[in-house]
Amino acid sequence: QKEVEQNSGPLSVPEGAIASLNCTYSDRGSQSFFWYRQYSGKSPELIMSIYSNGDKEDGRFTAQLNKASQYVSLLIRDSQPSDSATYLCAVNLRGGADGLTFGKGTHLIIQP
Amino acid sequence: EPEVTQTPSHQVTQMGQEVILRCVPISNHLYFYWYRQILGQKVEFLVSFYNNEISEKSEIFDDQFSVERPDGSNFTLKIRSTKLEDSAMYFCASSYGTGGSPLHFGNGTRLTVT
Repeated sequence: QKEVEQNSGPLSVPEGAIASLNCTYSDRGSQSFFWYRQYSGKSPELIMSIYSNGDKEDGRFTAQLNKASQYVSLLIRDSQPSDSATYLCAVNLRGGADGLTFGKGTHLIIQP
Repeated sequence: EPEVTQTPSHQVTQMGQEVILRCVPISNHLYFYWYRQILGQKVEFLVSFYNNEISEKSEIFDDQFSVERPDGSNFTLKIRSTKLEDSAMYFCASSYGTGGSPLHFGNGTRLTVT
């Protein structure tokens, strides 16, 4: 059974601080990992993709992957109120045309 | 920036009726998907489609559901004989390549079955 686990939150972070979001996945064969942001009532919006162990930075966002621990995280630096949203971790098991398995998401609140 | 478009944005139907949800994927993308999200729950995979046939489907995608690419641009999801529990947001997505390529989602169709 493919599972992706996230703490549902809410995670409350002061404006300007670093928000840290975590995700674990059950299938050791997973190869591709994605973070999506979803505002209430809206569709998932791609933030980051990561495929190999280590860190990947894009602006204020850093994705971290540790395949041995089956763990992927997202750091948001200099958090802004507009970052308040639900952050979805999504995992693709194989390299084929399989669907992504999503976690339930972490609700992030940035306090002004 | 190219985007996935979905119509309608909101569909209300009576239980037992058939609905067709429509999507126009990004033009150079080769893989198409349908997902659904019941209110307050996680995004769930329904089906993937490549080269004019279903690549994979989840347990949710039973005989009540079908997908079609009737022409070179549209990708549709048909739900026959809708049930109350089909009420959800339905998202279409597309990607250029296989599982390692990011999925790009449309804005969704909110289906309400009464």
